[in-house]
Amino acid sequence: EAQVTQNPRYLITVTGKKLTVTCSQNMNHEYMSWYRQDPGLGLRQIYYSMNVEVTDKGDVPEGYKVSRKEKRNFPLILESPSPNQTSLYFCASSLSAGVRSNEQFFGPGTRLTVL
Amino acid sequence: LAKTTQPISMDSYEGQEVNITCSHNNIATNDYITWYQQFPSQGPRFIIQGYKTKVTNEVASLFIPADRKSSTLSLPRVSLSDTAVYYCLVGRNTGGFKTIFGAGTRLFVKA
Repeated sequence: EAQVTQNPRYLITVTGKKLTVTCSQNMNHEYMSWYRQDPGLGLRQIYYSMNVEVTDKGDVPEGYKVSRKEKRNFPLILESPSPNQTSLYFCASSLSAGVRSNEQFFGPGTRLTVL
Repeated sequence: LAKTTQPISMDSYEGQEVNITCSHNNIATNDYITWYQQFPSQGPRFIIQGYKTKVTNEVASLFIPADRKSSTLSLPRVSLSDTAVYYCLVGRNTGGFKTIFGAGTRLFVKA
């Protein structure tokens, strides 16, 4: 089944404790992206990646890191989480070119709470 | 990236046709218009995409006038399960994939 998976789905952690949220897609998509969603603010893009070893900042990259060493994986790293990073996080992927390249497939979400 | 403007919320009844209009005055020549649907605590789901005139698929139609400064998502005969937030996005297919989701339109379908 074609899908985007995220782990963990739920995470409660404390300020300053480094964490990684994994994202994997099995559709051979070139493009992947991370978003956070907060009440009243909608979905905001954190980072995106056009292909392996190619990443770029979205609208809210501060406090986050990403890497794209393999095409299928795009982990989101919080080196020193803070309470303002408590949010619902979504990973997405899509083809990078062609008419359907704007069709992003989203993962199920990771609800992160930083105490 | 073109900014989009949508109504914050809409109400409808089961069986009615719902039209949600999105304004994108600064749309560029290479931009496509894409609509997503999102249920609570789930990731957005692609509904439809278009460039000009009319596009129809099994769940919706998308109407885009000649000047492309707005677009209308049409949902025929909505049901309670269509209650969701609908997002209109404008973006290019090439180059950087910076994506902006606006606030979306919260559609509430009543029985």
